[in-house]
Amino acid sequence: AQKVTQAQTEISVVEKEDVTLDCVYETRDTTYYLFWYKQPPSGELVFLIRRNSFDEQNEISGRYSWNFQKSTSSFNFTITASQVVDSAVYFCALRQTSYDKVIFGPGTSLSVIP
Amino acid sequence: KAGVTQTPRYLIKTRGQQVTLSCSPISGHRSVSWYQQTPGQGLQFLFEYFSETQRNKGNFPGRFSGRQFSNSRSEMNVSTLELGDSALYLCASSSIPGTGPSNYGYTFGSGTRLTVV
Repeated sequence: AQKVTQAQTEISVVEKEDVTLDCVYETRDTTYYLFWYKQPPSGELVFLIRRNSFDEQNEISGRYSWNFQKSTSSFNFTITASQVVDSAVYFCALRQTSYDKVIFGPGTSLSVIP
Repeated sequence: KAGVTQTPRYLIKTRGQQVTLSCSPISGHRSVSWYQQTPGQGLQFLFEYFSETQRNKGNFPGRFSGRQFSNSRSEMNVSTLELGDSALYLCASSSIPGTGPSNYGYTFGSGTRLTVV
């Protein structure tokens, strides 16, 4: 079975706080891709990162960082020094090589309060 | 470079009617996919078209159909609308078929918000 869980439905933080969005996935495949998308109020999904199952190196891009841990099947996303423009719904997703479709998590709605 | 354009942005229809949504992909992109987004079911894949052929299909009833034209523009049609069809319908385009959102070049439009009353 394949599944993506984002346990945090809504998060509110004050601007400049750090925030971590959790993502836990289930898959039987040994080869798969994980990624994060951001959906601002305008509606379009914006691609943030892709990580394949063989690359457990954590990644940092500006204020964004991702922690991939196969041992716990987690791919968490941290925003450092959050800004109001980070307010959006964030989706974690999984694509397995054995299943030619992408499974999205339910999303986490992040509100950054000035 | 223009992005993915979806029209209309908002639509209100009555139960039982049919609706057609339009998606113009990024110039040069020949793959177009459609997704339905609802609060209850989240993001669900509808179908993918490439070079005017349906390449992949999600688990939706036959009331949901689509097509792609020779200029890569795509339309999605929903017949006999039900209240549960109220959703944000997102279109995405890519130059590489079959890789879906895992492809860096997969670009979403802003969606059509359909309300069925």
